[in-house]
Amino acid sequence: DTEVTQTPKHLVMGMTNKKSLKCEQHMGHRAMYWYKQKAKKPPELMFVYSYEKLSINESVPSRFSPECPNSSLLNLHLHALQPEDSALYLCASSPLGRQGAGYEQYFGPGTRLTVT
Amino acid sequence: AQSVTQLGSHVSVSEGALVLLRCNYSSSVPPYLFWYVQYPNQGLQLLLKYTSAATLVKGINGFEAEFKKSETSFHLTKPSAHMRDAAEYFCAVSDVGAQKLVFGQGTRLTINP
Repeated sequence: DTEVTQTPKHLVMGMTNKKSLKCEQHMGHRAMYWYKQKAKKPPELMFVYSYEKLSINESVPSRFSPECPNSSLLNLHLHALQPEDSALYLCASSPLGRQGAGYEQYFGPGTRLTVT
Repeated sequence: AQSVTQLGSHVSVSEGALVLLRCNYSSSVPPYLFWYVQYPNQGLQLLLKYTSAATLVKGINGFEAEFKKSETSFHLTKPSAHMRDAAEYFCAVSDVGAQKLVFGQGTRLTINP
């Protein structure tokens, strides 16, 4: 099973709201990722978790707060977002090889976020 | 730093024709290379990967790609296009030992009946 699930599929939130995006995988992968994708653009990496620890933060604004409760789950907490944060948010996971080498990433279907 | 160039932001072919999507990478050592497909309003699906084994890689849905070190290329091909192949295609590269994927800008494939 190479499935990564994400909830919700769609989310509309105001700039003062607090919401969370959820991601789950059961492939035993020990690396999980959050990406942001704008229309007609490639995904932009936001965060990487390796063995449940944050290993990469691509200088993402603090209004985005990731959390990795266990090896299967990844959350992205959202607070005080701006309209320009509207995008497709993708979660991915990958196995980790020797010396932390990453392999192919498997993506979820994404959450379409609209900030009003 | 790694980079990927996809030649042609939009490629249009007739149904049944050859599909050729071009990808060139910059790397001082052979990297890992991937092709992903994204259908409208969906996530990315892995089509195929090159990880220093066979240079001709076969993927899903009849696609294949050939790693050519001398040309630093990893072009994606399919002998006969189907209407269902219409989508956005991304080439991506990562260094051995790296956790980041570097994506190309994408190529939108349109299939004409």
